[in-house]
Amino acid sequence: AQKVTQAQTEISVVEKEDVTLDCVYETRDTTYYLFWYKQPPSGELVFLIRRNSFDEQNEISGRYSWNFQKSTSSFNFTITASQVVDSAVYFCALSEAGRGGKLIFGQGTTLQVKP
Amino acid sequence: GAVVSQHPSRVICKSGTSVKIECRSLDFQATTMFWYRQFPKQSLMLMATSNEGSKATYEQGVEKDKFLINHASLTLSTLTVTSAHPEDSSFYICSARQGPSGNTIYFGEGSWLTVV
Repeated sequence: AQKVTQAQTEISVVEKEDVTLDCVYETRDTTYYLFWYKQPPSGELVFLIRRNSFDEQNEISGRYSWNFQKSTSSFNFTITASQVVDSAVYFCALSEAGRGGKLIFGQGTTLQVKP
Repeated sequence: GAVVSQHPSRVICKSGTSVKIECRSLDFQATTMFWYRQFPKQSLMLMATSNEGSKATYEQGVEKDKFLINHASLTLSTLTVTSAHPEDSSFYICSARQGPSGNTIYFGEGSWLTVV
């Protein structure tokens, strides 16, 4: 069965703090893709990253970084020096290669960054 | 880059009426599109897979006669909520797959539906 778990429902930090959003996934497929999206109050999904199952390299993009560990089935997302504009709901999602683009989303983590 | 457009972004309709939401891929052809529903403070749940030129595939528990999906062209899929009820009020968002693999997905902006 496929499943994505984001155990943190809500996180509140003060601006400039670092914050890590956890994501744990379950899949039986050997080929799959993992995603992170940001959803501001307006609702649209802002694509942040896609990682395939064969690429375990960590990635850094500005203040964002991602740690993919197949051994623990985790794909965690860290925001360094958080800013108020980072406040949003963040979703981790899984797409198995055999499912043609269907995404399974985690429950989402609401991040509030206070000034 | 590739863009998927959804229309309308917000719609209010009366109970018992039907409302249509469009999902359009603007600069690529999408043989497959997906429709998701998101209730307030909840996650996105896949409703159905829309296939160009054939019937949509619905997820378990989704009423196909209530949520009509039509994918008549390679750039347009429509979701019609028939006989809408207040409990259908939700955020509906589509995605389109570019190419044959499942790793290139683009989401529309979403549509807020309020049934009064």
